[in-house]
Amino acid sequence: DGGITQSPKYLFRKEGQNVTLSCEQNLNHDAMYWYRQDPGQGLRLIYYSQIVNDFQKGDIAEGYSVSREKKESFPLTVTSAQKNPTAFYLCASSIDRGVAYGYTFGSGTRLTVV
Amino acid sequence: QKEVEQDPGPLSVPEGAIVSLNCTYSNSAFQYFMWYRQYSRKGPELLMYTYSSGNKEDGRFTAQVDKSSKYISLFIRDSQPSDSATYLCAMSGGSNYKLTFGKGTLLTVNP
Repeated sequence: DGGITQSPKYLFRKEGQNVTLSCEQNLNHDAMYWYRQDPGQGLRLIYYSQIVNDFQKGDIAEGYSVSREKKESFPLTVTSAQKNPTAFYLCASSIDRGVAYGYTFGSGTRLTVV
Repeated sequence: QKEVEQDPGPLSVPEGAIVSLNCTYSNSAFQYFMWYRQYSRKGPELLMYTYSSGNKEDGRFTAQVDKSSKYISLFIRDSQPSDSATYLCAMSGGSNYKLTFGKGTLLTVNP
């Protein structure tokens, strides 16, 4: 079955540590997105990529980095510069850049700072 | 004014009730409208998709878009406890090539 796989489901980060969240899709979608979801704040866009080897900052990119070396993969690194990283992270993809048909979401990664 | 406004609720209804969820928006270029359902600790899943104005029905769910009022609605008939989730509206169009989401409404259907 086609879909988006996010791993791990739960992740714990120590202060000052970088961690990488994985996102893989087998839908042959061009565009991919990373969102952060906090209670009461809705979905906030971190980074997005419309084609391989290209990506743009979203609304809250500070403290995060991404890469898009393959069409199928869009990993997100949460760096030590991100002061409040505890959140639910969602990866999504869309078949076209115009998102006329919406996004397909992964099942999310819950990151907790310990 | 935010681009998309959605009442966060929470909304609690008895089983069998008709539920109405709503969003308003300010960008007149929006022409693609969606509703997502998100269960706790899961990713959102696309529930309904509508292009431009009008109604769309799928089983117990009806999506309405009124572009003149910049208002969209999702109706759930004969609500079930399994409908308990957060519902997010989303929209795109014009030069806005990303989806713009509402903050979501938390719905609880009580048996």
